Amino acid sequence: EVQLVESGGGLIKPGESLRLSCTASGFTFSDYSMTWVRQAPGKGLEWVSSIHYNSRSKYYADSVKGRFTIFRDNAKSSLYLQMNSLRAEDTALYYCAREVWWTPDSWGQGTLVTVSS
Amino acid sequence: QSALTQPPSASGSPGQSVTISCTGTSSDVGDYNYVSWYQQHPGKAPKLMIYEVSKRPSGVPDRFSGSKSGNTASLTVSGLQAEDEADYYCSSYAGSDNVVFGVGTKLTVL
Repeated sequence: EVQLVESGGGLIKPGESLRLSCTASGFTFSDYSMTWVRQAPGKGLEWVSSIHYNSRSKYYADSVKGRFTIFRDNAKSSLYLQMNSLRAEDTALYYCAREVWWTPDSWGQGTLVTVSS
Repeated sequence: QSALTQPPSASGSPGQSVTISCTGTSSDVGDYNYVSWYQQHPGKAPKLMIYEVSKRPSGVPDRFSGSKSGNTASLTVSGLQAEDEADYYCSSYAGSDNVVFGVGTKLTVL
């Protein structure tokens, strides 16, 4: 069974940094692209970033480009999202998901990031 | 990239069918067959219901079906059941290494 467990969320002030983690199990992590999707409170889903299985390619939504960095450690079956220069509009539940052909097919339960002074 | 357009709400009685639309542009829905649909119950993570326009993952009931015509994709839920009440989101590959989601539709089973 595919399991994805996110961690690292919390309350943080505008302009500060935070790193999210996602630990995967139940599948061969190194075979899959991975993605981060966020959902602001009471709002819809927003794709944030994706990374190829071998880290060779990384993609970002315009809203986070230049501030967020996605990376992975296949040896640890872990995905990360380094978030810098955080803004109030980054407040959301951040989901880690396995991706197949631009389709997030298995999702974690999410980790909440709140950016507030 | 603008979010895909979905009706804010849809409803139907148990046993009926309901169709939810997802309208994009010729740069996303109209240009790629990487259209997916997700079901999200309150407080839960999204669940993939349809991928590549009309394919169902293992375990998803065949009451759920997907289609596409031009820039609009559709999700049809047949034989509505109480547990189908949830939010539904579409998504599409949008080219230039981007993915775009729909704004979401709240499905109510009357």
